[in-house]
Amino acid sequence: DAGVIQSPRHEVTEMGQEVTLRCKPISGHDYLFWYRQTMMRGLELLIYFNNNVPIDDSGMPEDRFSAKMPNASFSTLKIQPSEPRDSAVYFCASSRTRGSAKNIQYFGAGTRLSVL
Amino acid sequence: AQSVTQPDIHITVSEGASLELRCNYSYGATPYLFWYVQSPGQGLQLLLKYFSGDTLVQGIKGFEAEFKRSQSSFNLRKPSVHWSDAAEYFCAVGDNTDKLIFGTGTRLQVFP
Repeated sequence: DAGVIQSPRHEVTEMGQEVTLRCKPISGHDYLFWYRQTMMRGLELLIYFNNNVPIDDSGMPEDRFSAKMPNASFSTLKIQPSEPRDSAVYFCASSRTRGSAKNIQYFGAGTRLSVL
Repeated sequence: AQSVTQPDIHITVSEGASLELRCNYSYGATPYLFWYVQSPGQGLQLLLKYFSGDTLVQGIKGFEAEFKRSQSSFNLRKPSVHWSDAAEYFCAVGDNTDKLIFGTGTRLQVFP
């Protein structure tokens, strides 16, 4: 399996622009998680989905952030408008609830976002 | 509420020395426990996990961890560190909500 695939790997944008981060989970996984990592706050869970349905979005910092999962193989995290304080590395992870590997989260390589 | 504490922010060891990274958790029931490693510019990779059974678990890259319920700890160990082990290490606890709570991480530096 190719693992969790995130794109782009790096994104540089200007304040006020819309940013869309993309994630393809591992095939067969029914959970998808979005995290944000910064030096100040460490690794924060933003939102997670089960079977494409958002379960907990309490970590989403503001209304500027939104996430969707239109199907089992694709999710997006959108920031509109972006602000410099949104600069961070954003990770996507997926897991499954069945089998010997259940509850293990597999992470993508991340998207490094810089908002100027 | 669940929480994970990694008391050591930064550890430096010499290559070939033994290593122990500390992790303490707070959780009412028996938790799922994990150690992940993050190399620079990379995502998190699972080193090992504890769900139940034998409290000493073996992982990849020669790492092991021991679950001690009485101490609420899940410390990571390696008998002989290699330069390639330099990375950031995260302990995490999971429950039946399918979320993981991560510690703040321990950065390991290895001197030749």
